[in-house]
Amino acid sequence: QVNLVQSGGEVKKPGSSVKVSCMASGGTFNRYAFSWVRQAPGQGLEWVGGIIPVFGTTNFAQKFRGRVTVTADESSRTVYMDLSSLRSEDTAIYYCATGYYSRATYYLEFWGQGSLVTVSS
Amino acid sequence: VLTQSPGTLSLSPGERATLSCRASESISTRFLAWYQHKRGQAPRLLIYDVSSRATGVPDRFSGGGSGTDFTLTISRLESEDSAVYYCQQYDRATRTFGQGTKVEIK
Repeated sequence: QVNLVQSGGEVKKPGSSVKVSCMASGGTFNRYAFSWVRQAPGQGLEWVGGIIPVFGTTNFAQKFRGRVTVTADESSRTVYMDLSSLRSEDTAIYYCATGYYSRATYYLEFWGQGSLVTVSS
Repeated sequence: VLTQSPGTLSLSPGERATLSCRASESISTRFLAWYQHKRGQAPRLLIYDVSSRATGVPDRFSGGGSGTDFTLTISRLESEDSAVYYCQQYDRATRTFGQGTKVEIK
């Protein structure tokens, strides 16, 4: 069982950046992979990107490449998502999710509570 | 690309719900999952590897299919099943979700 606790909501100006954190407890950190998923108002779930900490590899959805960075700190068992050049369309709840990394993949078994990012001038 | 249908399903308690997820390319690895998302809550994993139920998921939820066509079946709907359901592939490094099917209980 893995428990994920995310940082609180943020209000940001267009053009700025936001960094959301996700701290994991339970399980062996480097045996898990992590994804960030968002839900904009009235929209469905959208995969943003992910990281496999044991390899340090990241992957991102095409639309976010160049604007998003995902990092992991094993010592603090925390994963971070940094999204830059924010625009109003980035207003969403951002979820951190994780699953055991095996068979060169993972599904999203455990989820954080979500962090609301609001982009407004 | 994952395409889900129908967009909305409105059924009565005790009825059977069948949700469809069609992939634009074959998912031969069977790396396909279903999630339940209720308003104000985090999504919940229901099914992984096409047909394996996640821990604690009632057996009225079942997944099936192969290749490009997959289904989630809720055999006897209960009021608590009112939610949006998403399929997701984890076959490729870039994951994708379907657009979701909303299940309403009359």
